[in-house]
Amino acid sequence: AQSVTQLGSHVSVSEGALVLLRCNYSSSVPPYLFWYVQYPNQGLQLLLKYTTGATLVKGINGFEAEFKKSETSFHLTKPSAHMSDAAEYFCAVSGGNTGKLIFGQGTTLQVKP
Amino acid sequence: KAGVTQTPRYLIKTRGQQVTLSCSPISGHRSVSWYQQTPGQGLQFLFEYFSETQRNKGNFPGRFSGRQFSNSRSEMNVSTLELGDSALYLCASSWSGGTNAPPSYEQYFGPGTRLTVT
Repeated sequence: AQSVTQLGSHVSVSEGALVLLRCNYSSSVPPYLFWYVQYPNQGLQLLLKYTTGATLVKGINGFEAEFKKSETSFHLTKPSAHMSDAAEYFCAVSGGNTGKLIFGQGTTLQVKP
Repeated sequence: KAGVTQTPRYLIKTRGQQVTLSCSPISGHRSVSWYQQTPGQGLQFLFEYFSETQRNKGNFPGRFSGRQFSNSRSEMNVSTLELGDSALYLCASSWSGGTNAPPSYEQYFGPGTRLTVT
């Protein structure tokens, strides 16, 4: 069985500050991990993914995430927040070659000027 | 390449009616998955189709069904609509691999169909 927990349903940062969105997962098989972003009235856009190999993965728009197996975590970071980063972010896990993603409850990121 | 498209974008239906939603995947993608998104339950997996066969199924009642055609386009149907079926329904496609390329595990999402049941 797999599950995802996102710590903090709302995160607020100032423009230019560090963004840290937390994600912990549970998986009985080697996990494939993803971060998606959703803007209002839109679908989900893939930010980055971890499948195998390098544990620090870089994505679009300056985001990156580090897979830490010992901590079962996959936290999303960005060094400097921009107003356009305000959106809802979802962490997701799958068991590999399946079309089923298990999502966390989402974290709404607010960026203050 | 064109992205995942979903039609219609918005629907208003009455309790007891049925509805059919359509999804066209990215060209070359044979796997199509469906998700329901609500404020209370978040994003929940409905089912996945691959090569016209249902490969995975989530924990939804039998009123929710789907199918996939030979061109990989997919439809989902909800019969006997209930107020609680009001949601954003998202379709996603992924590349399942081929002779010279491994599968990729990420899914690409369409804009969704917003269903309102009154």
